[in-house]
Amino acid sequence: EAQVTQNPRYLITVTGKKLTVTCSQNMNHEYMSWYRQDPGLGLRQIYYSMNVEVTDKGDVPEGYKVSRKEKRNFPLILESPSPNQTSLYFCASSLTQGYGTGELFFGEGSRLTVL
Amino acid sequence: AQKITQTQPGMFVQEKEAVTLDCTYDTSDPSYGLFWYKQPSSGEMIFLIYQGSYDQQNATEGRYSLNFQKARKSANLVISASQLGDSAMYFCAMRGILYNFNKFYFGSGTKLNVKP
Repeated sequence: EAQVTQNPRYLITVTGKKLTVTCSQNMNHEYMSWYRQDPGLGLRQIYYSMNVEVTDKGDVPEGYKVSRKEKRNFPLILESPSPNQTSLYFCASSLTQGYGTGELFFGEGSRLTVL
Repeated sequence: AQKITQTQPGMFVQEKEAVTLDCTYDTSDPSYGLFWYKQPSSGEMIFLIYQGSYDQQNATEGRYSLNFQKARKSANLVISASQLGDSAMYFCAMRGILYNFNKFYFGSGTKLNVKP
């Protein structure tokens, strides 16, 4: 089954404790990206990756890091989480430019609470 | 600037009636794609429908249709014959095809409640 898998789905942590949210896709997509969803703001892009070792900032990258060492994996790293990073996070992937409609395939979401 | 605007935070519709969810956009990309996603209370994001800016006809997928008016920069979602299972949050989104493919922009969403 084609899917994007995120872990953990739910996490409560404390300020400053480093955490990583993993994301893996089995569709051989080159493009992957991370979003955060906050009430009234919709989804905002944090980082994206066009391919292995190619990443770039989205609209809200502050406080986050990413890496793309393998095509299927795109982890999101919060080096020193703060309460304003409490949010619902989505990982997504898509075909690359010029192939298909470019719709995003989403993971199930990771709800993060930073105390 | 790339932007998606959804001006209806919440809407009610009677079961079996049609409903239109509004979406306007702004982009500098001469070629772009418009998307609608559904987010039920369980939280997952479900792709509903796609409209390319170059498409001559409005997209349809079952009970979903996209009323695309390029000159007005609007891409409204029409749901015909609403069902209770249509109660969810709906997001309009846009992606550039020529210049802004790497960025995906979402509106703030419309929460639809279908009344029995």
